[in-house]
Amino acid sequence: QKEVEQNSGPLSVPEGAIASLNCTYSDRGSQSFFWYRQYSGKSPELIMFIYSNGDKEDGRFTAQLNKASQYVSLLIRDSQPSDSATYLCAVLYSSASKIIFGSGTRLSIRP
Amino acid sequence: EAGVAQSPRYKIIEKRQSVAFWCNPISGHATLYWYQQILGQGPKLLIQFQNNGVVDDSQLPKDRFSAERLKGVDSTLKIQPAKLEDSAVYLCASGIRANYGYTFGSGTRLTVV
Repeated sequence: QKEVEQNSGPLSVPEGAIASLNCTYSDRGSQSFFWYRQYSGKSPELIMFIYSNGDKEDGRFTAQLNKASQYVSLLIRDSQPSDSATYLCAVLYSSASKIIFGSGTRLSIRP
Repeated sequence: EAGVAQSPRYKIIEKRQSVAFWCNPISGHATLYWYQQILGQGPKLLIQFQNNGVVDDSQLPKDRFSAERLKGVDSTLKIQPAKLEDSAVYLCASGIRANYGYTFGSGTRLTVV
């Protein structure tokens, strides 16, 4: 069973702080990893993807990948109230060429 | 670039009725996906098309759900007959290649009463 696990939250972070979101996956053969942001009542929006071990930075967002530990994380620096949303971790299982989603972590940025 | 178009946005039906959803992907995107998202859960893949061929429909409840993608462009997803547990948002997504991620449409919120 291919799985993507996330803590459902809610994760509450003060404005201006760093929010850290984590995800683990079960298939060692996975090659591509994604973070989607989903506002309440809206569809998921792709914000980051990462293929290689290490860090990938894009503005205030940093994705981190550790394939040995089967662990992906997303850091949001200088958190803003507009970052309050559910963050979905997704993994491309190459053997099946399909993207499997976790259940999401609800993030709340408090002013 | 125009996004993924879906219709209708909302649909309320009684159980045992039928319903159909429509999706028009981003131009040039060969791969199209239908996901079901139940409130509080992540999207669950129902079916994946590559052009007009089915790549994966292992999670599609084929006794009641069907989907087609004619001419490799638009797609329809049908439920017949609907059950209460089919109440969810049905999301269509398209992409050039899976390892670049997908773009989602705005979804259709289905309520079965």
